[in-house]
Amino acid sequence: DSGVTQTPKHLITATGQRVTLRCSPRSGDLSVYWYQQSLDQGLQFLIQYYNGEERAKGNILERFSAQQFPDLHSELNLSSLELGDSALYFCASSPGATNEKLFFGSGTQLSVL
Amino acid sequence: GENVEQHPSTLSVQEGDSAVIKCTYSDSASNYFPWYKQELGKGPQLIIDIRSNVGEKKDQRIAVTLNKTAKHFSLHITETQPEDSAVYFCAASEDNAGNMLTFGGGTRLMVKP
Repeated sequence: DSGVTQTPKHLITATGQRVTLRCSPRSGDLSVYWYQQSLDQGLQFLIQYYNGEERAKGNILERFSAQQFPDLHSELNLSSLELGDSALYFCASSPGATNEKLFFGSGTQLSVL
Repeated sequence: GENVEQHPSTLSVQEGDSAVIKCTYSDSASNYFPWYKQELGKGPQLIIDIRSNVGEKKDQRIAVTLNKTAKHFSLHITETQPEDSAVYFCAASEDNAGNMLTFGGGTRLMVKP
């Protein structure tokens, strides 16, 4: 167990809908990262938050947004969902601001029908 | 940006044999190279990492080598066991590049008992 908790484990929704994925980092970790894993694109970095502030941004679509709350948990919001958004979404955490020693959660499997 | 290529995409070995997975990267400024193991239904787990000021690092049956001149690094697993069966990902990043960890496409390792 990595200590990173993601909910829900599975999510099935329809095109055009909006969903929220939740992540609780390991105790004491200040950074939260979001990754998207799909068969054709591999592991793609979306966004990082450090102690409540956006730290780095990757290939995140404008339809997607995230935030980190004062208790350090994070949420990834996906809106106007398309079939191609179906993927496994991982959250990871690390103690500091750099991307060393990432601890990944078990992921949320999103299926857009 | 950084581009990481990983080979082979699948690797089948007999229990007790060695396994080698190779990665190349494009950005000469990259200086951090982790390897992650992903078991079925789980998130990636860091198994070993290396920085550019080190040519080789070992941890029990696992070793990583880095050739900065050629811009490639490799994962070596000796005395493979069935529990080593998983998907392995290499990654690269440069500290000042917004903490974007770029992953390779993954190698599915199958260890036959």
